[in-house]
Amino acid sequence: NAGVTQTPKFRVLKTGQSMTLLCAQDMNHEYMYWYRQDPGMGLRLIHYSVGEGTTAKGEVPDGYNVSRLKKQNFLLGLESAAPSQTSVYFCASSYVAGGPESTDTQYFGPGTRLTVL
Amino acid sequence: AQSVAQPEDQVNVAEGNPLTVKCTYSVSGNPYLFWYVQYPNRGLQFLLKYITGDNLVKGSYGFEAEFNKSQTSFHLKKPSALVSDSALYFCAVRDPYSSASKIIFGSGTRLSIRP
Repeated sequence: NAGVTQTPKFRVLKTGQSMTLLCAQDMNHEYMYWYRQDPGMGLRLIHYSVGEGTTAKGEVPDGYNVSRLKKQNFLLGLESAAPSQTSVYFCASSYVAGGPESTDTQYFGPGTRLTVL
Repeated sequence: AQSVAQPEDQVNVAEGNPLTVKCTYSVSGNPYLFWYVQYPNRGLQFLLKYITGDNLVKGSYGFEAEFNKSQTSFHLKKPSALVSDSALYFCAVRDPYSSASKIIFGSGTRLSIRP
């Protein structure tokens, strides 16, 4: 049981380049999330998914796109990278699909450190 | 709108002393509250959560947190700090009646335990 894995671990891009970050979970979780972590700002939600084939915008979605073609995978894309997207990106997943009874503890991947020059 | 605040960027404690990391929240209903810890170059790890019931919640590594509804606080505590507790700690809140499973994280508090 690997939990939540992210690839790659590190990446350096030039402004305008594109890339895709891959998140995979083997816990059969319904919900998946992409966050970015910046100094002094905690974690901010970029996009999330409540199930296979669904995606939704979070707090800071601009400049990013996502896809959830398979339940276990959640992809984060940068179509035209900008220096403001230099950050550490974390993927997370949780089991229960929302609602008042949900306690949705989130399980995090190890992160991807992205630098945009 | 839900929000969470961690008023201290850094907390310094001597090994063996008690520690407290502060968290206050704002949410429309009864909150779900979480503490996560992040060690260097790692993802966040779940420590403990409050959903309902006893206001004192016990979690991993000897940590506990006290839910105080009147003060809208959920401070993280440990009776005797270890050097290995040094890490970045995040408080998080969720409105259980929000339309999706979105958790709001605080900005984090760096805990430094000196030998």
